[in-house]
Amino acid sequence: GENVEQHPSTLSVQEGDSAVIKCTYSDSASNYFPWYKQELGKGPQLIIDIRSNVGEKKDQRIAVTLNKTAKHFSLHITETQPEDSAVYFCAATKTLKVTFGTGTKLQVIP
Amino acid sequence: NAGVTQTPKFQVLKTGQSMTLQCAQDMNHEYMSWYRQDPGMGLRLIHYSVGAGITDQGEVPNGYNVSRSTTEDFPLRLLSAAPSQTSVYFCASSHHEEQYFGPGTRLTVT
Repeated sequence: GENVEQHPSTLSVQEGDSAVIKCTYSDSASNYFPWYKQELGKGPQLIIDIRSNVGEKKDQRIAVTLNKTAKHFSLHITETQPEDSAVYFCAATKTLKVTFGTGTKLQVIP
Repeated sequence: NAGVTQTPKFQVLKTGQSMTLQCAQDMNHEYMSWYRQDPGMGLRLIHYSVGAGITDQGEVPNGYNVSRSTTEDFPLRLLSAAPSQTSVYFCASSHHEEQYFGPGTRLTVT
């Protein structure tokens, strides 16, 4: 089955700096890669996604890149703010089956 | 729209007891799924359903049963709770690949 590895497990950045979270996947048939943000005590919330026919996607301060050949994808958050502090999960999807990474706890220090 | 709702928010069970975690969505989504979230392990798929009357196993189905009699509801049953089932449980629904998660149920089995 699919295996998704996510790094780092924790990340601390100063407010205003950029944060990068990286994921790799094993199944080349996976074709949809969402990123979720989970705040304390809440369910994960989709923040951005990318499909296998696209290399990069941006939404304001958030961007995701995908390298299909290397089977890795990354989340980039620019100009971080304290409200970006949360746990972020990457995932790889094949035919509606979603495999999640183990999560990155991001702390933005004011 | 209420989105995805889950009840109860918290539950404590003794080993061997049974219970049902409730999940409902009002978005008319065909696809629903149950995940468990454990520290350091991300979210793991327990069972999923692609429509009323159709269910299938995910990555960690043992000890759990599901049924899908209506589009709106997807309950998760624990027939004989075990301490290994102590976890946070999330229900999700989706139209195509974008998943919407409920707020979760925190279950402790003593």
